[in-house]
Amino acid sequence: LAKTTQPISMDSYEGQEVNITCSHNNIATNDYITWYQQFPSQGPRFIIQGYKTKVTNEVASLFIPADRKSSTLSLPRVSLSDTAVYYCLVGDAGSSNTGKLIFGQGTTLQVKP
Amino acid sequence: KAGVTQTPRYLIKTRGQQVTLSCSPISGHRSVSWYQQTPGQGLQFLFEYFSETQRNKGNFPGRFSGRQFSNSRSEMNVSTLELGDSALYLCASSLGDREGEKLFFGSGTQLSVL
Repeated sequence: LAKTTQPISMDSYEGQEVNITCSHNNIATNDYITWYQQFPSQGPRFIIQGYKTKVTNEVASLFIPADRKSSTLSLPRVSLSDTAVYYCLVGDAGSSNTGKLIFGQGTTLQVKP
Repeated sequence: KAGVTQTPRYLIKTRGQQVTLSCSPISGHRSVSWYQQTPGQGLQFLFEYFSETQRNKGNFPGRFSGRQFSNSRSEMNVSTLELGDSALYLCASSLGDREGEKLFFGSGTQLSVL
């Protein structure tokens, strides 16, 4: 399983776009890139997942360059409620491994008014 | 659709005791995974059950065990509790048979060992 490196913490202000970059130099061919969000005293919540290029959903975008050695989670116009820990995960998302996720230390995003 | 339900929400035990935690997955989900979260070690995978069989296992001692019932509900047991077992225990469910599936987590059981 590929190890991930992401910033320990980030600060932003309401209304700004936030980009969190994750490095995964040893990503394997079968690996997906997935991001989860966690609020205090709650379980993580799936945000977005991608394999290559760009993926966008109603809450975020995920940018993956051609070499796939890094990825960037983009949160448009953050609000105070986006203050949370964001985890980047890289791993084989094959059907027999769906339940096994390897979390890194995550990035604590603090959004200020 | 109801989410993942974990009971109890809080639990206080003393060293040497054992504890059983319960997890009810989302209806139709056959995979249930368990995770331990501590400030020092972060989120760590314990094990996963799929259709009543343990499919994946993390690096935890044998004091940590689990099982899954025919209705996909799962229980996790920790025997001979140690102070270091104090943690938030999270359960997650998914269909378990599709590539790239996302997990749905419960709110966890906060275990304190005194």
